[in-house]
Amino acid sequence: NAGVTQTPKFRVLKTGQSMTLLCAQDMNHEYMYWYRQDPGMGLRLIHYSVGEGTTAKGEVPDGYNVSRLKKQNFLLGLESAAPSQTSVYFCASSGPGLAYEQYFGPGTRLTVT
Amino acid sequence: AQSVTQLDSQVPVFEEAPVELRCNYSSSVSVYLFWYVQYPNQGLQLLLKYLSGSTLVESINGFEAEFNKSQTSFHLRKPSVHISDTAEYFCAVSEGYDMRFGAGTRLTVKP
Repeated sequence: NAGVTQTPKFRVLKTGQSMTLLCAQDMNHEYMYWYRQDPGMGLRLIHYSVGEGTTAKGEVPDGYNVSRLKKQNFLLGLESAAPSQTSVYFCASSGPGLAYEQYFGPGTRLTVT
Repeated sequence: AQSVTQLDSQVPVFEEAPVELRCNYSSSVSVYLFWYVQYPNQGLQLLLKYLSGSTLVESINGFEAEFNKSQTSFHLRKPSVHISDTAEYFCAVSEGYDMRFGAGTRLTVKP
């Protein structure tokens, strides 16, 4: 079991460029999440999905879009990157039920210049 | 919405000393509480969780946390820390799909 994997691990973008971050999980989890981590702010939820084909906004969704076409994959897109989106992005997944723990990927470090 | 406050951003401690990392939460409903640990350049790993039942929960590596409903706290403790415990610790509260994290406490264990 690989658990939760993220691609790529590092990326540098110029302002205005676009990119997609890929998250994959092999635990057959229903729920998937995208977070960003910034110094002194903990993790903030960007978007989440409660099942294939469904997505919802989290705490800081502006500037991001997501898609969950397959149960095991959750994509995070930046259409026009801004320096404020420089961050470490984490994907997580969890099983059904509200109390299930979240399993995290290793993160993607994104720098927007 | 629920929220979490971690009262200390950094906690330096000597090896074999006890440590307490403080966490307070706010919520209008019953919650589930978690502590996650993040080692450098890694993702978060679950350390322990409170779902219901006994208010004292333990991890496999000697940490414990106590749920105190009246004080809305979920402090993390360890009686004797090791160098390998150096990491960032995050308290989290969940009312449902939406899990909120505290800002984190960086624990540094010195020899």
